[in-house]
Amino acid sequence: ELKVEQNPLFLSMQEGKNYTIYCNYSTTSDRLYWYRQDPGKSLESLFVLLSNGAVKQEGRLMASLDTKARLSTLHITAAVHDLSATYFCAVDTNRDDKIIFGKGTRLHILP
Amino acid sequence: NAGVTQTPKFRVLKTGQSMTLLCAQDMNHEYMYWYRQDPGMGLRLIHYSVGEGTTAKGEVPDGYNVSRLKKQNFLLGLESAAPSQTSVYFCASFYDGSTYNEQFFGPGTRLTVL
Repeated sequence: ELKVEQNPLFLSMQEGKNYTIYCNYSTTSDRLYWYRQDPGKSLESLFVLLSNGAVKQEGRLMASLDTKARLSTLHITAAVHDLSATYFCAVDTNRDDKIIFGKGTRLHILP
Repeated sequence: NAGVTQTPKFRVLKTGQSMTLLCAQDMNHEYMYWYRQDPGMGLRLIHYSVGEGTTAKGEVPDGYNVSRLKKQNFLLGLESAAPSQTSVYFCASFYDGSTYNEQFFGPGTRLTVL
Protein backbone atom coordinates (compact mmCIF):
# COMPACT_ATOMS: atom_id res chain seq x y z
CA GLU A 1 0.00 0.00 0.00
CA LEU A 2 1.34 3.40 -0.97
CA LYS A 3 2.46 5.67 1.86
CA VAL A 4 3.29 9.33 1.32
CA GLU A 5 5.25 11.17 3.98
CA GLN A 6 5.92 14.87 4.09
CA ASN A 7 8.29 16.66 6.36
CA PRO A 8 8.29 18.89 8.10
CA LEU A 9 4.59 19.02 8.95
CA PHE A 10 4.91 22.54 10.25
CA LEU A 11 7.44 25.19 9.34
CA SER A 12 7.78 28.71 10.62
CA MET A 13 10.37 30.78 8.84
CA GLN A 14 11.48 34.35 8.35
CA GLU A 15 10.92 36.28 5.17
CA GLY A 16 13.94 36.17 2.88
CA LYS A 17 15.09 32.72 3.97
CA ASN A 18 15.30 29.56 1.87
CA TYR A 19 13.84 26.24 2.83
CA THR A 20 12.89 22.83 1.44
CA ILE A 21 9.87 20.61 2.00
CA TYR A 22 10.38 16.90 1.44
CA CYS A 23 7.94 14.31 0.12
CA ASN A 24 8.85 10.62 0.34
CA TYR A 25 6.74 7.80 -1.00
CA SER A 26 6.88 4.06 -0.56
CA THR A 27 6.17 2.43 -3.94
CA THR A 28 7.21 2.91 -7.53
CA SER A 29 5.66 5.94 -9.19
CA ASP A 30 6.71 8.52 -11.72
CA ARG A 31 3.87 10.96 -11.28
CA LEU A 32 3.82 13.42 -8.42
CA TYR A 33 1.81 16.57 -7.77
CA TRP A 34 2.19 19.57 -5.49
CA TYR A 35 -0.75 21.64 -4.26
CA ARG A 36 -1.29 24.73 -2.21
CA GLN A 37 -4.22 25.24 0.15
CA ASP A 38 -5.13 28.49 1.88
CA PRO A 39 -7.22 28.34 5.06
CA GLY A 40 -10.86 27.54 4.34
CA LYS A 41 -10.19 27.12 0.62
CA SER A 42 -9.85 24.30 -1.85
CA LEU A 43 -6.63 22.98 -3.32
CA GLU A 44 -4.75 24.78 -6.06
CA SER A 45 -2.44 22.84 -8.36
CA LEU A 46 1.16 24.09 -8.29
CA PHE A 47 3.30 21.53 -10.09
CA VAL A 48 2.91 18.32 -12.04
CA LEU A 49 6.05 16.16 -12.18
CA LEU A 50 5.83 13.29 -14.62
CA SER A 51 9.29 11.78 -14.94
CA ASN A 52 12.51 11.13 -13.12
CA GLY A 53 14.59 14.27 -12.92
CA ALA A 54 11.67 16.57 -13.66
CA VAL A 55 12.12 20.09 -12.36
CA LYS A 56 9.49 22.81 -12.44
CA GLN A 57 9.74 26.39 -11.24
CA GLU A 58 7.18 29.10 -10.64
CA GLY A 59 8.31 32.29 -9.00
CA ARG A 60 9.98 31.51 -5.68
CA LEU A 61 8.93 27.85 -5.73
CA MET A 62 10.79 25.01 -7.41
CA ALA A 63 9.80 21.35 -7.37
CA SER A 64 11.85 18.33 -8.38
CA LEU A 65 11.33 14.59 -8.60
CA ASP A 66 13.78 11.72 -8.08
CA THR A 67 11.86 8.53 -8.79
CA LYS A 68 14.79 6.28 -7.91
CA ALA A 69 14.98 7.76 -4.41
CA ARG A 70 11.16 8.05 -4.29
CA LEU A 71 11.59 11.65 -3.24
CA SER A 72 10.26 15.00 -4.32
CA THR A 73 11.30 18.37 -2.95
CA LEU A 74 9.60 21.74 -2.94
CA HIS A 75 12.18 24.49 -2.52
CA ILE A 76 11.26 27.98 -1.41
CA THR A 77 13.66 30.77 -2.30
CA ALA A 78 13.67 34.07 -0.42
CA ALA A 79 10.31 33.42 1.21
CA VAL A 80 7.65 36.12 1.32
CA HIS A 81 4.59 36.30 3.57
CA ASP A 82 2.22 35.56 0.67
CA LEU A 83 3.61 32.04 0.48
CA SER A 84 2.12 31.20 3.87
CA ALA A 85 -0.23 28.25 3.23
CA THR A 86 -0.40 24.49 3.55
CA TYR A 87 1.44 22.55 0.85
CA PHE A 88 0.54 19.01 -0.11
CA CYS A 89 2.26 16.47 -2.26
CA ALA A 90 0.29 13.67 -3.87
CA VAL A 91 1.47 10.54 -5.63
CA ASP A 92 -0.24 8.71 -8.47
CA THR A 93 0.19 4.98 -7.97
CA ASN A 94 0.10 4.23 -11.73
CA ARG A 95 -0.92 0.66 -11.05
CA ASP A 96 -4.43 1.21 -9.69
CA ASP A 97 -5.13 4.90 -10.45
CA LYS A 98 -5.25 5.99 -6.83
CA ILE A 99 -3.84 9.43 -6.00
CA ILE A 100 -2.63 9.47 -2.41
CA PHE A 101 -1.81 12.62 -0.45
CA GLY A 102 0.71 13.39 2.23
CA LYS A 103 -0.44 15.04 5.45
CA GLY A 104 0.64 18.46 4.29
CA THR A 105 3.21 21.01 5.43
CA ARG A 106 1.81 24.07 7.11
CA LEU A 107 4.11 26.94 6.20
CA HIS A 108 4.06 30.14 8.22
CA ILE A 109 6.28 32.94 7.00
CA LEU A 110 6.94 35.69 9.47
CA PRO A 111 7.23 39.24 8.13
CA ASN B 1 -16.70 26.21 -17.80
CA ALA B 2 -17.74 25.73 -14.20
CA GLY B 3 -14.98 23.17 -13.63
CA VAL B 4 -15.79 20.98 -10.61
CA THR B 5 -18.81 21.87 -8.50
CA GLN B 6 -20.02 20.34 -5.25
CA THR B 7 -23.48 20.38 -3.71
CA PRO B 8 -24.20 21.27 -0.94
CA LYS B 9 -21.51 23.57 0.46
CA PHE B 10 -22.53 23.02 4.08
CA ARG B 11 -24.67 20.46 5.85
CA VAL B 12 -25.50 19.50 9.42
CA LEU B 13 -26.82 16.00 10.07
CA LYS B 14 -27.94 14.10 13.11
CA THR B 15 -26.42 10.72 13.86
CA GLY B 16 -28.14 8.05 11.81
CA GLN B 17 -29.42 10.35 9.08
CA SER B 18 -28.48 9.77 5.46
CA MET B 19 -27.42 12.15 2.73
CA THR B 20 -25.84 12.33 -0.69
CA LEU B 21 -23.11 14.70 -1.81
CA LEU B 22 -23.04 15.56 -5.49
CA CYS B 23 -19.94 16.28 -7.51
CA ALA B 24 -20.26 17.48 -11.09
CA GLN B 25 -17.59 18.27 -13.69
CA ASP B 26 -17.94 19.73 -17.15
CA MET B 27 -14.46 18.90 -18.46
CA ASN B 28 -15.30 15.44 -19.79
CA HIS B 29 -12.76 13.80 -17.48
CA GLU B 30 -12.84 10.05 -17.03
CA TYR B 31 -11.43 9.95 -13.51
CA MET B 32 -13.12 11.32 -10.42
CA TYR B 33 -12.20 11.14 -6.73
CA TRP B 34 -13.73 11.75 -3.31
CA TYR B 35 -11.48 12.77 -0.41
CA ARG B 36 -12.08 13.79 3.15
CA GLN B 37 -9.91 16.30 4.98
CA ASP B 38 -9.48 16.30 8.72
CA PRO B 39 -7.07 18.43 10.76
CA GLY B 40 -3.57 16.97 10.73
CA MET B 41 -4.56 14.10 8.43
CA GLY B 42 -4.18 15.62 5.00
CA LEU B 43 -6.58 14.39 2.36
CA ARG B 44 -7.62 10.75 2.52
CA LEU B 45 -9.09 8.98 -0.47
CA ILE B 46 -12.56 7.56 0.12
CA HIS B 47 -13.60 6.18 -3.27
CA TYR B 48 -12.72 6.90 -6.84
CA SER B 49 -13.90 6.14 -10.37
CA VAL B 50 -11.99 5.59 -13.58
CA GLY B 51 -15.01 5.96 -15.82
CA GLU B 52 -18.76 5.93 -16.10
CA GLY B 53 -20.26 2.94 -14.32
CA THR B 54 -17.07 2.08 -12.40
CA THR B 55 -16.10 2.72 -8.78
CA ALA B 56 -13.29 1.55 -6.52
CA LYS B 57 -12.37 1.78 -2.85
CA GLY B 58 -9.75 4.16 -1.58
CA GLU B 59 -8.00 4.39 1.77
CA VAL B 60 -11.05 5.00 4.00
CA PRO B 61 -14.17 3.63 2.25
CA ASP B 62 -16.11 2.30 5.25
CA GLY B 63 -19.42 4.03 5.89
CA TYR B 64 -19.60 5.52 2.39
CA ASN B 65 -21.03 4.43 -0.93
CA VAL B 66 -20.59 5.98 -4.35
CA SER B 67 -22.13 5.88 -7.78
CA ARG B 68 -21.04 7.09 -11.22
CA LEU B 69 -24.10 6.63 -13.40
CA LYS B 70 -23.16 9.53 -15.64
CA LYS B 71 -19.65 10.52 -16.64
CA GLN B 72 -20.03 14.06 -15.37
CA ASN B 73 -21.40 13.17 -11.93
CA PHE B 74 -19.92 11.32 -8.96
CA LEU B 75 -22.17 10.87 -5.93
CA LEU B 76 -21.02 10.13 -2.39
CA GLY B 77 -23.58 8.67 -0.02
CA LEU B 78 -23.67 8.33 3.73
CA GLU B 79 -26.33 5.79 4.68
CA SER B 80 -26.20 6.27 8.45
CA ALA B 81 -24.09 9.25 9.42
CA ALA B 82 -21.78 9.08 12.43
CA PRO B 83 -19.95 11.88 14.27
CA SER B 84 -16.66 10.43 12.96
CA GLN B 85 -17.78 11.46 9.49
CA THR B 86 -17.68 15.13 10.42
CA SER B 87 -15.19 16.48 7.93
CA VAL B 88 -14.62 18.58 4.84
CA TYR B 89 -15.24 16.57 1.69
CA PHE B 90 -13.48 17.37 -1.55
CA CYS B 91 -14.23 16.01 -4.97
CA ALA B 92 -11.74 16.08 -7.81
CA SER B 93 -11.69 15.19 -11.46
CA PHE B 94 -8.52 14.14 -13.24
CA TYR B 95 -7.25 14.79 -16.72
CA ASP B 96 -5.05 11.91 -17.84
CA GLY B 97 -3.31 12.90 -21.06
CA SER B 98 -0.39 11.26 -22.81
CA THR B 99 2.05 14.02 -21.87
CA TYR B 100 0.28 15.86 -19.12
CA ASN B 101 -2.16 15.14 -16.34
CA GLU B 102 -3.72 17.18 -13.55
CA GLN B 103 -6.29 16.91 -10.80
CA PHE B 104 -8.93 19.64 -10.44
CA PHE B 105 -10.68 20.13 -7.12
CA GLY B 106 -14.14 21.32 -6.21
CA PRO B 107 -14.74 23.93 -3.49
CA GLY B 108 -15.54 21.36 -0.79
CA THR B 109 -18.51 20.42 1.38
CA ARG B 110 -18.32 21.00 5.11
CA LEU B 111 -20.32 18.30 6.89
CA THR B 112 -21.08 18.22 10.60
CA VAL B 113 -22.69 15.16 12.19
CA LEU B 114 -24.14 15.78 15.64
